[in-house]
Amino acid sequence: QQQVKQSPQSLIVQKGGISIINCAYENTAFDYFPWYQQFPGKGPALLIAIRPDVSEKKEGRFTISFNKSAKQFSLHIMDSQPGDSATYFCAASYYKLIFGTGTRLQVFP
Amino acid sequence: KAGVTQTPRYLIKTRGQQVTLSCSPISGHRSVSWYQQTPGQGLQFLFEYFSETQRNKGNFPGRFSGRQFSNSRSEMNVSTLELGDSALYLCASSQGNVESPLHFGNGTRLTVT
Repeated sequence: QQQVKQSPQSLIVQKGGISIINCAYENTAFDYFPWYQQFPGKGPALLIAIRPDVSEKKEGRFTISFNKSAKQFSLHIMDSQPGDSATYFCAASYYKLIFGTGTRLQVFP
Repeated sequence: KAGVTQTPRYLIKTRGQQVTLSCSPISGHRSVSWYQQTPGQGLQFLFEYFSETQRNKGNFPGRFSGRQFSNSRSEMNVSTLELGDSALYLCASSQGNVESPLHFGNGTRLTVT
């Protein structure tokens, strides 16, 4: 019940395309859902986050879609750029942050 | 503002030894969390310290322990190292609220031979 399942494990997208990463959870006590971005050799950094009372949040090219009834949430990266190539982690929290297993995104020019 | 600093960056140890990793949080942050990162397992929560007290703990054996000092600096200790302990250990600091962003250091890469 503490797990957050993330898919796909890896994703290859052409420049300008849409990258979509999906996550699912079981524990309905989770009440905060952030996404973190990690570049090689660096620690993860907060990208965008959402609370379950909101169905969508957009910040620039990054959008979180949240489906409370299905217990699923996803990250959409519009107009993907080579600089977006990184590993993305979804996470869920109610008293501690539980991370998904990560998605390695590669954007080719 | 200086970021989270972890030392050392790399460590090579032998099975059965013990190791201590250090983390200096962002100034003013009272919460320090530790995560283990391995390929395929993602980021696994070890424990969180807040104002020198362990506030939360993950599902790791007792060989993994930590502490936090009055200046919020934290150390993590792993005793009786096993090959499976080889991983990137990440420290993150925050203001301590659920929605406070975690600010991660660049990690300590531990290799156990």
